[in-house]
Amino acid sequence: DAKTTQPPSMDCAEGRAANLPCNHSTISGNEYVYWYRQIHSQGPQYIIHGLKNNETNEMASLIITEDRKSSTLILPHATLRDTAVYYCIVRVNAGNMLTFGGGTRLMVKP
Amino acid sequence: EAQVTQNPRYLITVTGKKLTVTCSQNMNHEYMSWYRQDPGLGLRQIYYSMNVEVTDKGDVPEGYKVSRKEKRNFPLILESPSPNQTSLYFCASSQTGVGEKLFFGSGTQLSVL
Repeated sequence: DAKTTQPPSMDCAEGRAANLPCNHSTISGNEYVYWYRQIHSQGPQYIIHGLKNNETNEMASLIITEDRKSSTLILPHATLRDTAVYYCIVRVNAGNMLTFGGGTRLMVKP
Repeated sequence: EAQVTQNPRYLITVTGKKLTVTCSQNMNHEYMSWYRQDPGLGLRQIYYSMNVEVTDKGDVPEGYKVSRKEKRNFPLILESPSPNQTSLYFCASSQTGVGEKLFFGSGTQLSVL
């Protein structure tokens, strides 16, 4: 599996966009970029995933660079409830041997 | 509502007393998996199952057993729990196609005294 690198922590002002970076320089051509988040000790929650093109859903946008070696998760208008640990994972599918690393602890401040 | 249900939410037990943590999903997913989460170590996979009667070891399978007799259920069994198995456990499920996403349960906080 491709390894990912994320900053351990970030702060964001409430109402502003939160941009969370992820480096995955060893990503393979058939691996997707997935983003999950974990609020306190709850089960991780799926946010978004993509292969090559940028993606947007009701929660966030995912921007993948043309060379696919890095990506950015964008929360357009961060709220206090978005305070969580955000994990970036690259995989062919959602299945076996999926390991979540340290992630980025996002703190949204009033 | 589509969900993965784990029980119990909290469990305190003593060393050596067999226990089972149940996991059930109502989405007809083929794939199910168990993870443990410890401070500073992220989520580590214990066991996974690609379909009924098909199970395989993950990163940290020692001390655990699983079974997959029905598609919807994937119980985690600790035959003789030890204090180093004190952890937060998550069950997850998904379809097995390319690009599918994982759905997680709410977690089980286990303390082994």
